Amino acid sequence: NAGVTQTPKFQVLKTGQSMTLQCAQDMNHEYMSWYRQDPGMGLRLIHYSVGAGITDQGEVPNGYNVSRSTTEDFPLRLLSAAPSQTSVYFCASSRRAPGDTIYFGEGSWLTVV
Amino acid sequence: SQQGEEDPQALSIQEGENATMNCSYKTSINNLQWYRQNSGRGLVHLILIRSNEREKHSGRLRVTLDTSKKSSSLLITASRAADTASYFCATVGSGNTGKLIFGQGTTLQVKP
Repeated sequence: NAGVTQTPKFQVLKTGQSMTLQCAQDMNHEYMSWYRQDPGMGLRLIHYSVGAGITDQGEVPNGYNVSRSTTEDFPLRLLSAAPSQTSVYFCASSRRAPGDTIYFGEGSWLTVV
Repeated sequence: SQQGEEDPQALSIQEGENATMNCSYKTSINNLQWYRQNSGRGLVHLILIRSNEREKHSGRLRVTLDTSKKSSSLLITASRAADTASYFCATVGSGNTGKLIFGQGTTLQVKP
């Protein structure tokens, strides 16, 4: 049982490049979400999904796209990376909407230069 | 804007002492959760308390919730050096149960 798996763990991008952060869970969880964590800012919700085919915006969605074509996967796309998107990104999942225990991935460190 | 505000931002205690962290929030909630994060790692769920509950215990952890004051506290008793971490509260609003919103966290240092 791998839990929540994020890839890549580290990535350096140039301004304007695009990339996708991958997130997969093997627990058949309906709820998945993406957060970014900046120093002194705690975690801020980017996008979330309550099931396959359903996504919604969180606190800071601008500059990011998501899709949920399967229950297992919830990729986060940066269409045109900006230095302000330098951050640590966490994917999380729970059985249902977050009244259940949420499980976090180990994080993806992204630097945009 | 973030829902939870935590106090203090940083806390340093000796091993064996108790640590208390507080969380205040702005809007009505469905539930409130506490998480721990060790440096450079993901978050680990500690405890969830629902809006109709006032107190919950889990091992050395005690969480209280006062919905009239829109606040919660996390007490760690008999702290250990291994408790050194950042602690975050997070809330699920009663209006939109799809969003789990985090506070900025309290950094706890337990000195051996």
